[in-house]
Amino acid sequence: ETGVTQTPRHLVMGMTNKKSLKCEQHLGHNAMYWYKQSAKKPLELMFVYNFKEQTENNSVPSRFSPECPNSSHLFLHLHTLQPEDSALYLCASSQDTGGASNEQFFGPGTRLTVL
Amino acid sequence: DQQVKQNSPSLSVQEGRISILNCDYTNSMFDYFLWYKKYPAEGPTFLISISSIKDKNEDGRFTVFLNKSAKHLSLHIVPSQPGDSAVYFCAANSNSGYALNFGKGTSLLVTP
Repeated sequence: ETGVTQTPRHLVMGMTNKKSLKCEQHLGHNAMYWYKQSAKKPLELMFVYNFKEQTENNSVPSRFSPECPNSSHLFLHLHTLQPEDSALYLCASSQDTGGASNEQFFGPGTRLTVL
Repeated sequence: DQQVKQNSPSLSVQEGRISILNCDYTNSMFDYFLWYKKYPAEGPTFLISISSIKDKNEDGRFTVFLNKSAKHLSLHIVPSQPGDSAVYFCAANSNSGYALNFGKGTSLLVTP
C-alpha cells in the first residue's frame, strides 16, 4: 500500500463513546499531523509529531488525545466528544517540518459525526 | 487571526479558458507557498509550490506566481478542464515553522 491511509473512513459516535482514528503512512516520512476541517472553515492544525515527538498541540481540548508509537503510525483517541466536534479529520505526513520539507501528503480523512 | 486568505469562495470558468485563483497572506516570515487540490470525500493533494526566492513556478498547465511586495500569490490553470473542478487551498509556511497555514479554499467549477 502507498501514501497515507486512514481508518475508518466514516464514524458515528455518541457523546459518551470512546473511539480511535488511525493513520498510517508508507512514505518514509518523519513528521505526521492531525488536522480538523469543519464546514466553511480553513484546515485547522491540531497536532504535529516529528520523529515520534509531539512538537505542537494547537490548543486542542483534552477530549482529543494523540498517540504516535512510531514514525509510520498516528492515532487520535476520542472520548466524551461534543456534537460540534463533528468534522472531517485529516492526517498528513511530510519528510520533515519547515520549508520545502513540509510538502504534506494527506490521507482521505475520517468523516466523524457525534450524536 | 487568519494569516492566509482566499477571498473568493467560488469561481466558475468555461472549459479551455484560464482559471486564476488568488491568495493573500499577512505574515512576512512565510517563505514557502503551496497549492493543494481537494475533491469531495478525498484528502487534499499537493499540486504545486513556490519558494520565496522565485516569482514564478510552472508545471504543465499549472503556474503559480508570487508577488512578495504585495504578499499575494495566484494559481493559473491553462487551459482549464472539467476535471479541474475541485476546491483549491493555498498554504504557506516558514522555514523555521512546522505548521502549514491554510486558506479557506476556493471552489472551482469548470463548465463544458
